[in-house]
Amino acid sequence: DAMVIQNPRYQVTQFGKPVTLSCSQTLNHNVMYWYQQKSSQAPKLLFHYYDKDFNNEADTPDNFQSRRPNTSFCFLDIRSPGLGDAAMYLCATSRESGVPQYFGPGTRLTVT
Amino acid sequence: AQSVTQPDIHITVSEGASLELRCNYSYGATPYLFWYVQSPGQGLQLLLKYFSGDTLVQGIKGFEAEFKRSQSSFNLRKPSVHWSDAAEYFCAVGNDYKLSFGAGTTVTVRA
Repeated sequence: DAMVIQNPRYQVTQFGKPVTLSCSQTLNHNVMYWYQQKSSQAPKLLFHYYDKDFNNEADTPDNFQSRRPNTSFCFLDIRSPGLGDAAMYLCATSRESGVPQYFGPGTRLTVT
Repeated sequence: AQSVTQPDIHITVSEGASLELRCNYSYGATPYLFWYVQSPGQGLQLLLKYFSGDTLVQGIKGFEAEFKRSQSSFNLRKPSVHWSDAAEYFCAVGNDYKLSFGAGTTVTVRA
């Protein structure tokens, strides 16, 4: 089945220690997104890629970076995680703009 | 700017009873509208979407939603709730590459 896969599902990192979250998709979609969802809140868009074009949301902290080496994979790098970065990180894809976004299961990040 | 309001933070419903979740949006043009469901610790699953055409849209798991332009609403309904419907429900409005989500409604199903 075509799908969006996120690894790992649970990640524990130490305060200030860089961490990378992974997302892959078999849908062959052009657009990939990263969202941050804190407890009991709505998902918040961090950035997205349209093909290789990177689009950062204005209020996304510089601490968050992303890479998309090919169509299938996209990575979220948190350079120096703080306690406030503990959240669920959701990856999503869409074929083009204006069509539904399909979400992966998420990675739950804990910062100790 | 686009925005979504879900007035109900939490709804409790008996199994077998009907369910309606409210969603109001603010958007400058005809929006794309979505309902997603999220079970605890899981990602978001698309229930249904509205782009254009028939204002009553059918989704998965027996859900439907009605787009009412005059009321800027896109309410989600299910005639008979099952215990497995207990989850958080998010309404979203989108265009281009951006989805804006409402704050979500948590649905509890009692036996």
